Amino acid sequence: DTAVSQTPKYLVTQMGNDKSIKCEQNLGHDTMYWYKQDSKKFLKIMFSYNNKELIINETVPNRFSPKSPDKAHLNLHINSLELGDSAVYFCASSSGQGEKLFFGSGTQLSVL
Amino acid sequence: QQQVKQSPQSLIVQKGGISIINCAYENTAFDYFPWYQQFPGKGPALLIAIRPDVSEKKEGRFTISFNKSAKQFSLHIMDSQPGDSATYFCAASSAAGKSTFGDGTTLTVKP
Repeated sequence: DTAVSQTPKYLVTQMGNDKSIKCEQNLGHDTMYWYKQDSKKFLKIMFSYNNKELIINETVPNRFSPKSPDKAHLNLHINSLELGDSAVYFCASSSGQGEKLFFGSGTQLSVL
Repeated sequence: QQQVKQSPQSLIVQKGGISIINCAYENTAFDYFPWYQQFPGKGPALLIAIRPDVSEKKEGRFTISFNKSAKQFSLHIMDSQPGDSATYFCAASSAAGKSTFGDGTTLTVKP
């Protein structure tokens, strides 16, 4: 069983479209995250949820909206996609803030 | 303001050699210092981690050295193998906040 699973693995779309990435963890963790990895491999946190409550919201355009229906799921919806949104998006979870992160395998988003 | 600085950006080591990656942090509230290993097409995975109450932690061929006064920590990979070729990230976090990552080091181990 995959501990942190995210879908889809690849997402190719046109500028201006709206897309969603789904994430689920079966580790029983309370905290989930979205990270963005750019072409230079820099990893930057975007959002963090603890037990469905938003606790970290970095300087991310409000076109990005996370949604956590329960503590095992954290989805990312992106409106009006732009070329600069092309990156790999990683979902992660941890048992608490500041603890070991378990990452999903990533979603490669390409905006054409 | 970059809170965790990592060097070098890339590293080439011969098989059997020692790989050393360094990180420096600024925020003294950090109390957890993990290293993550990432292979192409995969997510980062925890390799080894240390808390500031110890100066060294060893797990197999991987060792973290931690210098609290200098606010620096490093990863040593002994007897480096081609299978160790990956991108390595240091990170720092506190219970009150997020994990902050270094910019990554691409390690290539030549046979």
